Amino acid sequence: DAGITQSPRHKVTETGTPVTLRCHQTENHRYMYWYRQDPGHGLRLIHYSYGVKDTDKGEVSDGYSVSRSKTEDFLLTLESATSSQTSVYFCAIRSGTNSYEQYFGPGTRLTVT
Amino acid sequence: SQELEQSPQSLIVQEGKNLTINCTSSKTLYGLYWYKQKYGEGLIFLMMLQKGGEEKSHEKITAKLDEKKQQSSLHITASQPSHAGIYLCGADSQGGGGNKLTFGTGTQLKVEL
Repeated sequence: DAGITQSPRHKVTETGTPVTLRCHQTENHRYMYWYRQDPGHGLRLIHYSYGVKDTDKGEVSDGYSVSRSKTEDFLLTLESATSSQTSVYFCAIRSGTNSYEQYFGPGTRLTVT
Repeated sequence: SQELEQSPQSLIVQEGKNLTINCTSSKTLYGLYWYKQKYGEGLIFLMMLQKGGEEKSHEKITAKLDEKKQQSSLHITASQPSHAGIYLCGADSQGGGGNKLTFGTGTQLKVEL
């Protein structure tokens, strides 16, 4: 357990509405990541952060934005949710400066109707 | 972008049997990660390999990295029902500090009594 929580764990929303998912960690990790998991695609990186206010895009960043105003929280926002963003979203942390191990949170299941 | 191919896609073994799952990369591997996932749940970190020829073990699970072949294998000895789940390999294809992972689509393992 790397002290990662995600909220909400489940959400149903309508097309066109903004949605924010939260990832919270308690162990002061510098690197945090957002992935989405879809059948047939595996996990794909959306955005990641390498420090407070330092973020960068991943493989599938279109339609998503992120913010990290403090070390413990990494927020993922779907600016205008679409049905193609129905997915399971996982947050991950890198466990330390000299370690490249990544640990994942429990996931958020998002359904866009 | 890096592609990771896992084989087999699914596997059914009898309890007590050994099995091997392979993960092959289309690009140079800077780090190779193995995770286990149960349906509807998060990813459990198993191990990470960085150096060619490296081999690590976690209980009855052993993973090896063949850097020249850009391939890793995960071997389970004397399988048990608790080993059932989806095994995912992830890879860092860029090196450096970003540690951005791409993933294979997983191998589903069922262990029959």
